[in-house]
Amino acid sequence: KAGVTQTPRYLIKTRGQQVTLSCSPISGHRSVSWYQQTPGQGLQFLFEYFSETQRNKGNFPGRFSGRQFSNSRSEMNVSTLELGDSALYLCASSLGGTGVYEQYFGPGTRLTVT
Amino acid sequence: DAKTTQPPSMDCAEGRAANLPCNHSTISGNEYVYWYRQIHSQGPQYIIHGLKNNETNEMASLIITEDRKSSTLILPHATLRDTAVYYCIVSTGTASKLTFGTGTRLQVTL
Repeated sequence: KAGVTQTPRYLIKTRGQQVTLSCSPISGHRSVSWYQQTPGQGLQFLFEYFSETQRNKGNFPGRFSGRQFSNSRSEMNVSTLELGDSALYLCASSLGGTGVYEQYFGPGTRLTVT
Repeated sequence: DAKTTQPPSMDCAEGRAANLPCNHSTISGNEYVYWYRQIHSQGPQYIIHGLKNNETNEMASLIITEDRKSSTLILPHATLRDTAVYYCIVSTGTASKLTFGTGTRLQVTL
């Protein structure tokens, strides 16, 4: 079974621009979560989507948004980029639902804002 | 979610067992203990989880104390490829929102 894939793997953007990152979950997984990892703040939860609905949200400004499609693929968007948005963005998929499920992480997208 | 405390770093000789401790004294009755690890610049990898019984899988064993206030992850025969940051996370069952702490950096040496 193929793992979680994220595109692009690397991205360089300029302050003020916007960016869209993509995540394809493992086949059959309905939950997709997004995380931001920086050297200063570590791994922080952004949001989770399940069956095309945002189910959980972390403490990030409204510039960070996401969506999930009917095939469970997810995108996250960051508008008006700031230098502090430079980070590794990770997505994780799981079966979701109400059981106890582990998350499977993708390799991440490394975003550099200049 | 309950807070966890882990030592910042540990060393282990290759072939020996690595025992990584975690304190979670405020854990609630419905919270599970999860362990993930992150090898440099890769996405975190799920290792194991448990509620109150000890658990074992092909990667590791998880020992949870009877009062559930602490746990230990055991890698029975550590190899150089086990060098990573290990995160102990306490979360409810659905666990779609994981709160990562600073973890334990395990260095396996020859």
